[in-house]
Amino acid sequence: EPEVTQTPSHQVTQMGQEVILRCVPISNHLYFYWYRQILGQKVEFLVSFYNNEISEKSEIFDDQFSVERPDGSNFTLKIRSTKLEDSAMYFCASSSFSNQPQHFGDGTRLSIL
Amino acid sequence: AQSVTQLDSQVPVFEEAPVELRCNYSSSVSVYLFWYVQYPNQGLQLLLKYLSGSTLVKGINGFEAEFNKSQTSFHLRKPSVHISDTAEYFCAVLIEGAQKLVFGQGTRLTINP
Repeated sequence: EPEVTQTPSHQVTQMGQEVILRCVPISNHLYFYWYRQILGQKVEFLVSFYNNEISEKSEIFDDQFSVERPDGSNFTLKIRSTKLEDSAMYFCASSSFSNQPQHFGDGTRLSIL
Repeated sequence: AQSVTQLDSQVPVFEEAPVELRCNYSSSVSVYLFWYVQYPNQGLQLLLKYLSGSTLVKGINGFEAEFNKSQTSFHLRKPSVHISDTAEYFCAVLIEGAQKLVFGQGTRLTINP
């Protein structure tokens, strides 16, 4: 069964550094998403992406965050200048249409020191 | 604003016993409903979905859920649990016309032999 893959599984970064989290969505899916889960808290929506542009974003997704689909297969989340509070598990997801189930990757655990 | 409430943060049950994990949501518009399962150190796996049609939906691993519009609930049930069902279970809502999933806090299901 096709799946969403995320790399790396664990990323450790110094505060203030830039970090890029990578995702390969399911190949025939059109909608792409990023979510995060701070330890012990709910899974929270960050952003959705369709037709090469952001279609929806939360208030968490401020100017420090950006997303890109640099080629036909990858989908990336960049945090420009990381803060301690960015430490979380980041999940990528994709879906065939906006009202269809979203399929999640295994996540990238981001630790900011 | 939409919200999802999972009433139990932890549910311990004995192996082969039945289990119900409760989920209530609030929304003034039509919704799609999902249950996801997260096994230790893994991502979110879709367990089942309600998009339309029959209010009783069946998912993987013997789980089922019933959509009750009047009570705004989508409780998850399994008649006989197995040790391998030990995991965290998340209820999520997708508002019609939107793209972001809104998650509940999660319920940790622990199966005792």
